[in-house]
Amino acid sequence: AQRVTQPEKLLSVFKGAPVELKCNYSYSGSPELFWYVQYSRQRLQLLLRHISRESIKGFTADLNKGETSFHLKKPFAQEEDSAMYYCALSPLNAGGTSYGKLTFGQGTILTVHP
Amino acid sequence: DTAVSQTPKYLVTQMGNDKSIKCEQNLGHDTMYWYKQDSKKFLKIMFSYNNKELIINETVPNRFSPKSPDKAHLNLHINSLELGDSAVYFCASSQDRVPGGNTEAFFGQGTRLTVV
Repeated sequence: AQRVTQPEKLLSVFKGAPVELKCNYSYSGSPELFWYVQYSRQRLQLLLRHISRESIKGFTADLNKGETSFHLKKPFAQEEDSAMYYCALSPLNAGGTSYGKLTFGQGTILTVHP
Repeated sequence: DTAVSQTPKYLVTQMGNDKSIKCEQNLGHDTMYWYKQDSKKFLKIMFSYNNKELIINETVPNRFSPKSPDKAHLNLHINSLELGDSAVYFCASSQDRVPGGNTEAFFGQGTRLTVV
């Protein structure tokens, strides 16, 4: 079975400081990894996917299969980045398809102070 | 148009009652989920359905029963509510992954259930 671990429940940084939200996973096969974000009073929404290899709102995340990690990074945090961040995993079968097994980590509350 | 909608948004009820939460998605997705977010904000998967077929049924009490009348709906019925059931319940939907496809999960706004 797959598992996603976010070791930090709370993370506080000052505006302009670099930020890294850690995510480790365990899954015997090939996974698809995501970061989701929940801003105050808003729905949970996708921030980025590892296969897109894109930067969203200055955030990037690299899938490291050797360390089974998918840490989220931003070089200069902004106050509007304060939110709950969830790392998520969707297992892929041999054919590269997946369905119905999107699993989340415990979440990390990021607070960016002015 | 709201992609994934849940009703009700708030639900306050007494212990022992039976209640249902409804979820509908208009995205044409194949998979729908129910998640429970507890007071510590942990987001735990409860059930998932793919094309009306139950895929995941985590260690959830039998008092919780999902119903999927069609691909666009996944309702959650809870019998004999207990204090520990108080949480925010999220519905979500996603498309099956195919090469190059988008598997982004879309979430409802959540239903805050309070059992008193």
